[in-house]
Amino acid sequence: AQKITQTQPGMFVQEKEAVTLDCTYDTSDPSYGLFWYKQPSSGEMIFLIYQGSYDQQNATEGRYSLNFQKARKSANLVISASQLGDSAMYFCAMREGIQGAQKLVFGQGTRLTINP
Amino acid sequence: EAQVTQNPRYLITVTGKKLTVTCSQNMNHEYMSWYRQDPGLGLRQIYYSMNVEVTDKGDVPEGYKVSRKEKRNFPLILESPSPNQTSLYFCASTDYNTAHNEQFFGPGTRLTVL
Repeated sequence: AQKITQTQPGMFVQEKEAVTLDCTYDTSDPSYGLFWYKQPSSGEMIFLIYQGSYDQQNATEGRYSLNFQKARKSANLVISASQLGDSAMYFCAMREGIQGAQKLVFGQGTRLTINP
Repeated sequence: EAQVTQNPRYLITVTGKKLTVTCSQNMNHEYMSWYRQDPGLGLRQIYYSMNVEVTDKGDVPEGYKVSRKEKRNFPLILESPSPNQTSLYFCASTDYNTAHNEQFFGPGTRLTVL
């Protein structure tokens, strides 16, 4: 079964609008971490934001925020005031278990295109 | 500058010709791993290493080997590459003490096996 599901293969958004990228996850482990990475056309993986399963508040990093709904097992990325430079592939990933277990499980990705 | 480097960045080879993709990090991280990225599948872990001389299989290890003789280096070896190993490969590292155990990724190696 898919552990991380990103249901939007592609999204098109007008510049300056807010955008929400969906991510649902599946785990029975009470301790886990959720990550979002951005991959521009140049190919590198850029870390955006992290949410721990025990964190009380939703994570925020500048224009990025994570809408963490634990009961629904969703961790949607919200980008406010989108910019042309936000056009990229976005991956949601999960790390399960104890600190020492570092494997990331990735979703299929969402390709975001910002239109001027 | 803290970074993960990979070489080569691009490689076109033929079936059966042994190759090595190097990975090096200058952050003194214990944990290193290799992922491959394929369209529609995201990134999948090939092998990982929790420290020097400690390596283990990830989700898709078939056809690959690794070694970890030094903390900074974690090469990926394809003894007899096949076309289904054509992919984009990423090396990543992290430290158990970094914030959130964020994984730092290398720039990627695009491999084509003919």
